[in-house]
Amino acid sequence: GAVVSQHPSWVICKSGTSVKIECRSLDFQATTMFWYRQFPKQSLMLMATSNEGSKATYEQGVEKDKFLINHASLTLSTLTVTSAHPEDSSFYICSAREAGINYGYTFGSGTRLTVV
Amino acid sequence: QKEVEQNSGPLSVPEGAIASLNCTYSDRGSQSFFWYRQYSGKSPELIMFIYSNGDKEDGRFTAQLNKASQYVSLLIRDSQPSDSATYLCAVRGWGAGSYQLTFGKGTKLSVIP
Repeated sequence: GAVVSQHPSWVICKSGTSVKIECRSLDFQATTMFWYRQFPKQSLMLMATSNEGSKATYEQGVEKDKFLINHASLTLSTLTVTSAHPEDSSFYICSAREAGINYGYTFGSGTRLTVV
Repeated sequence: QKEVEQNSGPLSVPEGAIASLNCTYSDRGSQSFFWYRQYSGKSPELIMFIYSNGDKEDGRFTAQLNKASQYVSLLIRDSQPSDSATYLCAVRGWGAGSYQLTFGKGTKLSVIP
């Protein structure tokens, strides 16, 4: 089946530094990538949607200059958390949609970010 | 604002029983409905999707959809301790380019051995 590899699985960084999270579709072309954030005991909150070769569309309240999304190829999308602060500590998950497949997008394994 | 509502639980059922999980949604134009299972600290995994009114069965799982009532449910037969997880209901809108999923907050299921 379709697999999305997400790295790193966890990261601890100092406040003020930047962290990059990668998601790669291993055996399909990810036309669309969704980036979610999940706080403890909360549901997935969509942060942004990116289509290959286009600028990402951010949800209301998500700072595009803080959460940089790049989807330069059909198999790789990255999320960079810039100038991270403790309140950015969360579980970040990507989800990829393959062109023509509209049911059951494939999730990455998630990245646990802790900002100290 | 599209909303997906689920009872947060926890829902406790004995092993071997039927677990019933419910979800309502606000957008009457929603087309596709998904159930995901999420273990603690892990990302969601797809259990089933449904887009037509009625029932859809896959092994021990049955999804039920009633678009008139804007209601979708998931039945888990012969529940096992390994089914203990949080179950997320997700809804996809309609129209060209509407690929985003809106998730409910999830229902935590505990299957008691």
